[in-house]
Amino acid sequence: RKEVEQDPGPFNVPEGATVAFNCTYSNSASQSFFWYRQDCRKEPKLLMSVYSSGNEDGRFTAQLNRASQYISLLIRDSKLSDSATYLCVVNPPAGSYIPTFGRGTSLIVHP
Amino acid sequence: ETGVTQTPRHLVMGMTNKKSLKCEQHLGHNAMYWYKQSAKKPLELMFVYSLEERVENNSVPSRFSPECPNSSHLFLHLHTLQPEDSALYLCASSPKPGQITEAFFGQGTRLTVV
Repeated sequence: RKEVEQDPGPFNVPEGATVAFNCTYSNSASQSFFWYRQDCRKEPKLLMSVYSSGNEDGRFTAQLNRASQYISLLIRDSKLSDSATYLCVVNPPAGSYIPTFGRGTSLIVHP
Repeated sequence: ETGVTQTPRHLVMGMTNKKSLKCEQHLGHNAMYWYKQSAKKPLELMFVYSLEERVENNSVPSRFSPECPNSSHLFLHLHTLQPEDSALYLCASSPKPGQITEAFFGQGTRLTVV
């Protein structure tokens, strides 16, 4: 099993749709979790951290399920500008230096 | 302005050339990273420096040689590369050594080896 797995997509949705991505991780001792966004030919940028209790930032909701070892990202009322690749990042247990990136999920929002 | 600046943005080099990638961060961070991003692959961590000391070398071929002269600058020296080394090379920094609690990435150097 890969350390961090994401469905590469692409997810092709109309404007206004709600879309959700999942990311599974294999190391149950992982410490912290993040979603990054990467636009085409640009660098990744932090979108949001993922907290145990779940957290929301505008149209974006992130959730963590430690029992099943996955995190999710929900985007409501999709905009054309949401089109990008969404990377799941899992921080290792304390003492390790290697955060692990998923390969990313591609989202295309069309008119 | 990302706070992490990489130069050059694009580089084409032959297999016998020697070149260097440069990264500079203006955020006062204590950890810096080199990542490789190839098409349709996840980001691959290459090196981690914490307070100018290399703390991780993730099985990277010796044709890639990092250098961290101070906590604000990071270099990646390249020599005798192969075409499969063509990729986007991203530098990142984070406040805390040892973990990416919140990483800031440079815009990357798109490298093509011919």
